[in-house]
Amino acid sequence: KQEVTQIPAALSVPEGENLVLNCSFTDSAIYNLQWFRQDPGKGLTSLLLIQSSQREQTSGRLNASLDKSSGRSTLYIAASQPGDSATYLCAGSPKTSYDKVIFGPGTSLSVIP
Amino acid sequence: GAGVSQSPSNKVTEKGKDVELRCDPISGHTALYWYRQSLGQGLEFLIYFQGNSAPDKSGLPSDRFSAERTGGSVSTLTIQRTQQEDSAVYLCASSFASAGYEQYFGPGTRLTVT
Repeated sequence: KQEVTQIPAALSVPEGENLVLNCSFTDSAIYNLQWFRQDPGKGLTSLLLIQSSQREQTSGRLNASLDKSSGRSTLYIAASQPGDSATYLCAGSPKTSYDKVIFGPGTSLSVIP
Repeated sequence: GAGVSQSPSNKVTEKGKDVELRCDPISGHTALYWYRQSLGQGLEFLIYFQGNSAPDKSGLPSDRFSAERTGGSVSTLTIQRTQQEDSAVYLCASSFASAGYEQYFGPGTRLTVT
């Protein structure tokens, strides 16, 4: 059974720091991987999607990469801002059922001004 | 280009009553997913529709939960005889194969069972 872990569970950093969030799948056979952010009391906002033929994606200060041999992904946030404070979730689709999505438990990020 | 919409945004109901939650996916998206998120918890998969195929109901927690998708578009999640443990935010998402099944989420319906 595919399981997803995210490390750390919570993170607090001062404004301006670069940081890395980690996501790991027990089965490395991932079709695609998506990173989301969720603000308190809100729905999920898609940040980046790494499709089956890709290794990484970048959007502004965010960069996500996927190591398909290990089933590990990282989300890199450069020059963090207080507005980045949110919960970040990774979600992956297994190659055996690529339209299904399995979510990690999330990393709660707090950026201190 | 509207996104995924859900209604109502908030629902308070008495224990034992039935509720219906609605999801309007992005036009043309063939896949539709329902999830539940209890306070402080991660996402719990409930049910998944793909085109005209039989839905994947493997995540429904009990037979009090059911969902349908009419005309391959709008979906309704029904909870019968609600219990207090059903209180959660119910999230809907849709996706499309040509977009790599990137999931787009609605704002959710916050259900409170008193």
